[in-house]
Amino acid sequence: QKEVEQDPGPLSVPEGAIVSLNCTYSNSAFQYFMWYRQYSRKGPELLMYTYSSGNKEDGRFTAQVDKSSKYISLFIRDSQPSDSATYLCAMSGGTYKYIFGTGTRLKVLA
Amino acid sequence: DTAVSQTPKYLVTQMGNDKSIKCEQNLGHDTMYWYKQDSKKFLKIMFSYNNKELIINETVPNRFSPKSPDKAHLNLHINSLELGDSAVYFCASSRDRSNGYTFGSGTRLTVV
Repeated sequence: QKEVEQDPGPLSVPEGAIVSLNCTYSNSAFQYFMWYRQYSRKGPELLMYTYSSGNKEDGRFTAQVDKSSKYISLFIRDSQPSDSATYLCAMSGGTYKYIFGTGTRLKVLA
Repeated sequence: DTAVSQTPKYLVTQMGNDKSIKCEQNLGHDTMYWYKQDSKKFLKIMFSYNNKELIINETVPNRFSPKSPDKAHLNLHINSLELGDSAVYFCASSRDRSNGYTFGSGTRLTVV
């Protein structure tokens, strides 16, 4: 079993939809949780990061962490075609080493 | 002004050759990394340096050797390239353990 599991998709949604992206993990020591967005042929860029449990909101993006269920989510409101990308979750137990999920490909259809 | 820059962007080379990829960051970060992304987009850490000291050295063939001449630079040298080394190699840097990485745009290595 991988330490971090993420559905590879692709996930296709119409423009304006609310998108929910999720990761599950097995290591209860993970405390730092991040979401990256990667456009085709580009490097990943950091979207959101949270420490421990709870929610964090930034514009159209909301990150949620449920440590009891070992489950994290990223919600995108009012999705746009420009949100079409691969979304990667990453997590760490407080070391420099982050473990990445395999990424979910998102397509937002105009 | 690119924060994390890698060269070259593309590298096509024959099996058995030796090649290097260079990385530089101008963010003043103390820690730099090399990640390998395979064809399925899976990102796996290879090495990390903190202030020129090797702190992460994953199970990577010893044909791969990182070098950090100073905290703003981290290079990756690969000897005797194999077909399975074909991937995108990303350099990244971070200020500390909790603020995530800034990635470069990647080096697409193709071994033929």
